[in-house]
Order: sequence, then structure tokens, then C-alpha cells
Amino acid sequence: DAGITQSPRHKVTETGTPVTLRCHQTENHRYMYWYRQDPGHGLRLIHYSYGVKDTDKGEVSDGYSVSRSKTEDFLLTLESATSSQTSVYFCAISGGQGFGNTIYFGEGSWLTVV
Amino acid sequence: AQRVTQPEKLLSVFKGAPVELKCNYSYSGSPELFWYVQYSRQRLQLLLRHISRESIKGFTADLNKGETSFHLKKPFAQEEDSAMYYCALMGYGGATNKLIFGTGTLLAVQP
Repeated sequence: DAGITQSPRHKVTETGTPVTLRCHQTENHRYMYWYRQDPGHGLRLIHYSYGVKDTDKGEVSDGYSVSRSKTEDFLLTLESATSSQTSVYFCAISGGQGFGNTIYFGEGSWLTVV
Repeated sequence: AQRVTQPEKLLSVFKGAPVELKCNYSYSGSPELFWYVQYSRQRLQLLLRHISRESIKGFTADLNKGETSFHLKKPFAQEEDSAMYYCALMGYGGATNKLIFGTGTLLAVQP
């Protein structure tokens, strides 16, 4: 299962509240990613990290922030949740070229904003 | 621009029929392409990568640079193949490599 754990797996929250999703890996991989999956859009990259405290924006980063204070943890925060952020969120990890550039995914976090 | 196009949202076939899931890409340079599969409400799993030129679960995919395509094929579909299939391109830019996904094709194999 590529040693990736996402929490919480399911959450219902109210509009305007902050929400934090956590991704934890046991593979000591350098790269970590947050994607969201929506019907008709496939998976879209929100933010990614290329090392501790090194992060950058993906294609749909508005309304999201991330932090990575340790190699194993990558947090995604919705500062003030909106209904448009109802989605399935997938964390992913990669060791980079030395690991064949393969990206492995977590099991997903289902977020509903009401 | 880096882009992956999967023109079919749904592909329905009967068990035993051949399957071809289409994928076209736009990328300047030598692409790295992948197929991921997602069974109902599960994580995405790597199915194939073009560099490996392998066959997994009877599926194959050949990179055609002239047609900028990476279609996924299987000669005889099985009911357990029913799933969402995503084609993805490894894009390089910024500080790391990133997967760029198509919108996915739902494969439904009828008994």
C-alpha cells in the first residue's frame, strides 16, 4: 500500500470553517502531492512539496495552503471551506527519478462542505 | 502546454470483447506516460508505464510519438476490469516532476 495514510478519511464540515487533511508516509520519499478528484475533471494538482518546508502551488491552489515540517507529513488546509471544495482529496508520494518517477497514491479523503 | 486528453467518458463492452481506451497527449520533449486504474472508491493504482513496456493484467500500451498517443488495449475484457482508467503524463517544471491527468474513462464490462 506504498505506506501512505490519509486522515480523516471522511469529513463533513460547514461552510466557513477551517479544515486540515493530513498525509503521512513511511517511505521517506522526498516528494509529496495533494490532488483533488472531481467528476469530469479527473485529478488536479493542488499543491506539492519537494522537501521539508519546500512547497509550491499546483493548478488549483486557490483557497488551499499546505505545510511540511517533517519528511513524513504533508498537511493540506482549507482556511475557510466552501461548497466548491467538496471533493475527494488524494495524497501522493514519489521518490523521484531514483525510484523510477513512479507516484503512489493514498486511499483518499472524502470531504463534504455543507 | 502539457495536456492529456481522454476523449471517452464511458466505454461499455461485453465480456470477451477487445478494449481500447484512448489517450492523446501534448508535450514538448520526451514524455513519460502512465496508466492508472481506480476500482470503485479505492486508491489509484499504477497499471502501466511506457518505459517498462510491460503487460499487466493483460493490458498493454504503446507510445506513438507520431500520433502523440498512448492507448490502452486488452484483447479480451473481463468483468473485473470494470473501473475508472486515467492516463497521465509526467510533467517537468518548477522544482519537481508532477503527474498531469486526463479526465478519465469509465470502463464497464457487461457479462
